[in-house]
Amino acid sequence: AQKVTQAQTEISVVEKEDVTLDCVYETRDTTYYLFWYKQPPSGELVFLIRRNSFDEQNEISGRYSWNFQKSTSSFNFTITASQVVDSAVYFCALSEAMQGAQKLVFGQGTRLTINP
Amino acid sequence: NAGVMQNPRHLVRRRGQEARLRCSPMKGHSHVYWYRQLPEEGLKFMVYLQKENIIDESGMPKERFSAEFPKEGPSILRIQQVVRGDSAAYFCASSTREGPINQPQHFGDGTRLSIL
Repeated sequence: AQKVTQAQTEISVVEKEDVTLDCVYETRDTTYYLFWYKQPPSGELVFLIRRNSFDEQNEISGRYSWNFQKSTSSFNFTITASQVVDSAVYFCALSEAMQGAQKLVFGQGTRLTINP
Repeated sequence: NAGVMQNPRHLVRRRGQEARLRCSPMKGHSHVYWYRQLPEEGLKFMVYLQKENIIDESGMPKERFSAEFPKEGPSILRIQQVVRGDSAAYFCASSTREGPINQPQHFGDGTRLSIL
């Protein structure tokens, strides 16, 4: 069965600090996708990134970067120079890549608070 | 707004009533997913539909819950005889397909269901 674990329930940092959100996953599939979504206080879900299991290159998008380590089944998310607007709940998710439902399995989420 | 549209944004029902939640996918998307988010928890998959077909309903409670995605019109998640435990945020997501792979799911803003 697929499972996603976000061990950090809550993180609080001061603005401009770097912060890393951890995500560990379990799957028997050899081909799968990993995702990060952001849920700001307003409640909507914002898609941030999708990664397939064959692409272990790290990715950077502005202040956001993702570190995919297949050997440790981790897909960690780092925010550099955090800002108050980064305050949100962040969800890591996993889906199979084969034909079929491709439903997302979400972690419990990490509530990130950036203090001014 | 070309995104996934869910309505209503907030829905209040008394125990025993019926709740109908609507979701219009993004233009060109033919795959719809429903997820439920209980308070302080991550999202849990409920059902995956394509036009006029339920593909995977493995996350749907066996009783009182049903979903449809007709040829014309929005997808509907229906909850009959609601109970307090149905209080949650219900998110709809849609995606399209390129070859054998579903593309990333884009989420609506959710419907917050409150049961009195």
